[in-house]
Amino acid sequence: SQTIHQWPATLVQPVGSPLSLECTVEGTSNPNLYWYRQAAGRGLQLLFYSVGIGQISSEVPQNLSASRPQDRQFILSSKKLLLSDSGFYLCAWSREQGAREQYFGPGTRLTVT
Amino acid sequence: AQSVAQPEDQVNVAEGNPLTVKCTYSVSGNPYLFWYVQYPNRGLQFLLKYITGDNLVKGSYGFEAEFNKSQTSFHLKKPSALVSDSALYFCAVRDMRSGGYQKVTFGTGTKLQVIP
Repeated sequence: SQTIHQWPATLVQPVGSPLSLECTVEGTSNPNLYWYRQAAGRGLQLLFYSVGIGQISSEVPQNLSASRPQDRQFILSSKKLLLSDSGFYLCAWSREQGAREQYFGPGTRLTVT
Repeated sequence: AQSVAQPEDQVNVAEGNPLTVKCTYSVSGNPYLFWYVQYPNRGLQFLLKYITGDNLVKGSYGFEAEFNKSQTSFHLKKPSALVSDSALYFCAVRDMRSGGYQKVTFGTGTKLQVIP
């Protein structure tokens, strides 16, 4: 079976500090990978998606970047955090074919102070 | 452009009563439709999907959803609500067209409160 891991679970960082959130998937190959941000416990904002190693698409211009150094590893980064980067960050994967329902990780709660 | 509407911000239902969480969609081609559930401080969990075929789709935890093409709706239902069903529910749509990446659009979520 497939599993998805995210870490850390919670993070408190000062404004201007760097960020690195990691997501890994087990039990599948060539997954599509996604980073979302959820603000105020409601709507999901798609930040990045990736259909393969080194292939990253950004949905909205922002202070964040993403990388996919390995097939099942997806990293979300920032060089300098802003207060507005606070939120709940979710990583998800889907199969590359078919309906592509998404399977989400447990999330990272980021608070920028 | 595709879109999803969840017209109810919150739905309250008594335990043991049937529940319905509404979803309508707009997509250029034929849709893939999904329902997800989110418990507090957790990631979303996939409940069920509509691809093609039977309009009534059965999913996890006793939930089902009815696809209605003429009304462009995909309402989530359960015959008898449990207190443990209280959570945030998201509807999502993706265009079935092949070729290239087709983005999934999520609704804004409906909070379901099951009252003991």
